[in-house]
Amino acid sequence: GQQVMQIPQYQHVQEGEDFTTYCNSSTTLSNIQWYKQRPGGHPVFLIQLVKSGEVKKQKRLTFQFGEAKKNSSLHITATQTTDVGTYFCAGTRGSNYKLTFGKGTLLTVNP
Amino acid sequence: NAGVMQNPRHLVRRRGQEARLRCSPMKGHSHVYWYRQLPEEGLKFMVYLQKENIIDESGMPKERFSAEFPKEGPSILRIQQVVRGDSAAYFCASSPHRDGTEAFFGQGTRLTVV
Repeated sequence: GQQVMQIPQYQHVQEGEDFTTYCNSSTTLSNIQWYKQRPGGHPVFLIQLVKSGEVKKQKRLTFQFGEAKKNSSLHITATQTTDVGTYFCAGTRGSNYKLTFGKGTLLTVNP
Repeated sequence: NAGVMQNPRHLVRRRGQEARLRCSPMKGHSHVYWYRQLPEEGLKFMVYLQKENIIDESGMPKERFSAEFPKEGPSILRIQQVVRGDSAAYFCASSPHRDGTEAFFGQGTRLTVV
């Protein structure tokens, strides 16, 4: 079955440092979505990428979708304490509506 | 436009009891998905429903678990004869699209079986 691997599992940074999490799928994806979940909270939709090689930016966040549509990354520039949380990627395949989630990257930021 | 509403937020059940989890999708969303999240894990798909129809329940255990999305009212995830292993966060998501894109999640129900 489809698998989505996400690394690293944990990342601790000093405030102001950059952060990147990587997502890799065993199969070609139709689209990939990114979510943020605060401790004790629920996944909050951040963005969806659909096109091969697509790059999208949201303020300090940059999202990329690989040319082969099998990998993706989220990069945060100059982290802030408000960035703390677990970042999940989730992909769909074909016309399949099931989101297959990675295990997430827990980001902690030291002020 | 209220978000996806789930209740209760926290539910404690003794082993053998029944748990009922409710989800009201966002206005205009007719596609509802249930996911389960174990501690420090990603979310695992359970079931996809449209109004009055179960489209895909391949991620749901075949015994003790059932889901519905009636014509009127919220979607219900029902767990009969709960066991400790059912303890988890159960999230409902709704989407305006059949392909599940741009899914918005509710705040979840955290089920604890004692």
